Amino acid sequence: GAGVSQSPSNKVTEKGKDVELRCDPISGHTALYWYRQSLGQGLEFLIYFQGNSAPDKSGLPSDRFSAERTGGSVSTLTIQRTQQEDSAVYLCASSLDVRGAEQPQHFGDGTRLSIL
Amino acid sequence: SQQGEEDPQALSIQEGENATMNCSYKTSINNLQWYRQNSGRGLVHLILIRSNEREKHSGRLRVTLDTSKKSSSLLITASRAADTASYFCATDRGSNYQLIWGAGTKLIIKP
Repeated sequence: GAGVSQSPSNKVTEKGKDVELRCDPISGHTALYWYRQSLGQGLEFLIYFQGNSAPDKSGLPSDRFSAERTGGSVSTLTIQRTQQEDSAVYLCASSLDVRGAEQPQHFGDGTRLSIL
Repeated sequence: SQQGEEDPQALSIQEGENATMNCSYKTSINNLQWYRQNSGRGLVHLILIRSNEREKHSGRLRVTLDTSKKSSSLLITASRAADTASYFCATDRGSNYQLIWGAGTKLIIKP
């Protein structure tokens, strides 16, 4: 079956531009996560969506970051006025239900974002 | 904040040898997970071990958990070149949905 799909796989943009990153989770998975991974580092939690509940945005590093999830499926992470420190791999994961820490999370291959 | 810390940061062994990676954490957990990440790819789930379990096996993988020492180990037996990857542990820190990740161990298997 289809896994988690992310697009684009690579994005190079100039400082100050806005970018949109897309995640298509596994069909039927109600929980969706966005993480950021800097070179050689672990994953930094950004935001969590669960069904129709209010998302947990506690990991977003600044108000330039926002995310939405339409119809409980596809999610978009938007970074406005990009800065060089935003350069990283942005990973999306989904899990079957709300207990995402008690079951496997399924990851996409990420979007590698480079800010010039 | 980082909950899990893996060691070593990097490990290079010959094909066929066993590889052991360790993970330590700071606060009580309900479960701990191990993931593998090949270069340029997303993470792949390997094993989940619950706080009331001491050991789990999956093929050539063996995970142990010592809650008194707040540590876990991942053993890969009879390593293969395809095992070359970074390995991460993740803990729940009492949350039912949020995982806290270590910085990973980079494993290189030399043919």
